[in-house]
Amino acid sequence: DIVMTQSPDSLAVSLGERATINCKSSQSVLYSSNNKNYLAWYQQKPGQPPKLLIHWASTREFGVPDRFSGSGSGTDFTLTISSLQAEDVAVYYCQQYYTTPRTFGQGTKVEIK
Amino acid sequence: QVQLQESGPGLVKPSETLSLTCTVSGGSISSYYWSWIRQPPGKGLEWIGYIYYNGNTNYNPSLKSRVTISVDTSKNQFSLKLTSVTTADTAVYYCVRSDNYFDYWGQGTLVTVSS
Repeated sequence: DIVMTQSPDSLAVSLGERATINCKSSQSVLYSSNNKNYLAWYQQKPGQPPKLLIHWASTREFGVPDRFSGSGSGTDFTLTISSLQAEDVAVYYCQQYYTTPRTFGQGTKVEIK
Repeated sequence: QVQLQESGPGLVKPSETLSLTCTVSGGSISSYYWSWIRQPPGKGLEWIGYIYYNGNTNYNPSLKSRVTISVDTSKNQFSLKLTSVTTADTAVYYCVRSDNYFDYWGQGTLVTVSS
C-alpha cells in the first residue's frame, strides 16, 4: 500500500494569513506515461462528507476558490490556502489514486489563531 | 448534478452482516467507478472498494475477505455487504463516485455495531 503522511497534524493560522499543509507519499504517484500526479486534496467540515478541492495535484475543482492551490510532484505535495477565511476551518486530506488500495493521509486540522 | 444517497440499518449486531445501498440520481450509474469509503468516529478515511458498472470490482485487501460490492444498473444503485462485523466496523459509510479521484459523495450514514 502507498502510505500518505501529512504534516502537521494541526495548525492554527490568523485570518488572512497563509496556511500550508504537506503530504508525502511512500512511493511516487507520478505516472510517467502522461506526466500526471495521481494526487487529490479534500476538505471536510464537521458533520459533512469530504469535498474534492484539487485533483491531479494542482487542478482546482470547479467552484473552488482560487485561494486554494496545490503543488508538488512525485512524492511531495503541498496544499496552500493563500489567505485563510473563517469558512476554511476544516480537516484537509490528501489521497493517492495511483494504485489500489486508494489511500488517504491522516488529515490536517486547520483552525483560526 | 449527480447525487448519492446511502440507505440501510443504522445498528448491526456483532458477527452479523452490514448491508447498505447507494442510490444514484442525476446521472447514470452506467459509467464511472463507484466506491464505498468509511470513517470511524473522530478518525480518518478508509477506502473499502469500488465497482464498475459492468460488475468488475476491486477491494481493499484489509477487508477483502469480508466485503462484497454489487451493482444494479436497472435501479441505478450499488450496494455494500460487510460480513462478520465487530465494533471496529462502527463508522460513517459513504458512497462515492470515483473515476480516479472521488468527486461526488453521499452524505454518509452512521452504522453502529453493538449488541
